[in-house]
Amino acid sequence: AQRVTQPEKLLSVFKGAPVELKCNYSYSGSPELFWYVQYSRQRLQLLLRHISRESIKGFTADLNKGETSFHLKKPFAQEEDSAMYYCALSGPGNQFYFGTGTSLTVIP
Amino acid sequence: EADIYQTPRYLVIGTGKKITLECSQTMGHDKMYWYQQDPGMELHLIHYSYGVNSTEKGDLSSESTVSRIRTEHFPLTLESARPSHTSQYLCASSERFLYYGYTFGSGTRLTVV
Repeated sequence: AQRVTQPEKLLSVFKGAPVELKCNYSYSGSPELFWYVQYSRQRLQLLLRHISRESIKGFTADLNKGETSFHLKKPFAQEEDSAMYYCALSGPGNQFYFGTGTSLTVIP
Repeated sequence: EADIYQTPRYLVIGTGKKITLECSQTMGHDKMYWYQQDPGMELHLIHYSYGVNSTEKGDLSSESTVSRIRTEHFPLTLESARPSHTSQYLCASSERFLYYGYTFGSGTRLTVV
């Protein structure tokens, strides 16, 4: 069965420090992975998708099929990056399966 | 403006009451979803629809029901609310392929007392 695991519920980093939010998945098919973000008092929104190999707001994520991971990274964290981040897998039934989320706090 | 709308944003209701959470989208999306979100937990899919007159139950067992009579409207109904239904309910929609991801509504925070 498909599953998305985000091992860190809370993550704090200092402004300017690198940040990595971990995501591991289990899925027997060919996975499509996404990251969603929810800023304070805002809606959950798509941040980036692995298939696009894009960088959004300085964030990147590489799909590692060998390690079944899709970690989200940014070299220099900014205060505005403080938010809740959800890793999601597009799987059977053409729907998303979400992890439990990681709350990122960037300390000034 | 093309968007997805959920009403109400907050609802406090007594046990045993019937309630309907509204969700409408003006993007012409065929697919719509209802998720339940509790603090510190993953989003759980409770219902989804791939088009008019199409509704399916999700992975999370739910005592709610949905209908899809019009493309833009996907209401969720609880016939008899219980305290265990207290949660955040998120509505989302998507195009046919998930490449563009979901568009989420602002959510309805339901409290059953």
